[in-house]
Amino acid sequence: ELKVEQNPLFLSMQEGKNYTIYCNYSTTSDRLYWYRQDPGKSLESLFVLLSNGAVKQEGRLMASLDTKARLSTLHITAAVHDLSATYFCAVRGNSGGSNYKLTFGKGTLLTVNP
Amino acid sequence: DAEITQSPRHKITETGRQVTLACHQTWNHNNMFWYRQDLGHGLRLIHYSYGVQDTNKGEVSDGYSVSRSNTEDLPLTLESAASSQTSVYFCASRTDTSGELFFGEGSRLTVL
Repeated sequence: ELKVEQNPLFLSMQEGKNYTIYCNYSTTSDRLYWYRQDPGKSLESLFVLLSNGAVKQEGRLMASLDTKARLSTLHITAAVHDLSATYFCAVRGNSGGSNYKLTFGKGTLLTVNP
Repeated sequence: DAEITQSPRHKITETGRQVTLACHQTWNHNNMFWYRQDLGHGLRLIHYSYGVQDTNKGEVSDGYSVSRSNTEDLPLTLESAASSQTSVYFCASRTDTSGELFFGEGSRLTVL
């Protein structure tokens, strides 16, 4: 059974600082997704990582995937208050073809303080 | 624009009542999913469907059922609502290319 672990679960940081959120998973997978959720809102797709070594960047966020280590990171550069949200990683189960499920981590609640 | 909509967005019901949450998507995606979100548990998969007439149980399926009679809709039914089913429910559909999930706005259900 695929297990996905995020850490930290809670992250309070100051504006302007850098930090990394980690997503570890337990079985082989070649696809990983990052989502953002604002309080009371739905989940919004941030990044789709489709292969080993994939790196995607959008503004102050950069995501990477190491399938050998079963690890993805979401790096935050020079945090700003607008980045305050909950971030989820989700990993594709390897059931083959186009029929598969995503397993989500528990989420990281990020608070950026002035 | 294509989208995914859920209704109702908020519902209060009593223990023992039957409740149905609707989910409708206009992307023509084959794959659709229902999750519940609770503090401390993240998102947990309730039921999912890979196409018309196909339904499957997720990790927390007890007390819930779904049906898929067409591509656009996957309604979620709580046969006899329990207080433990108070939660926020998200429907999602998935593109076949990247596998990215697109989520509805959520339905907040309170069972008294």
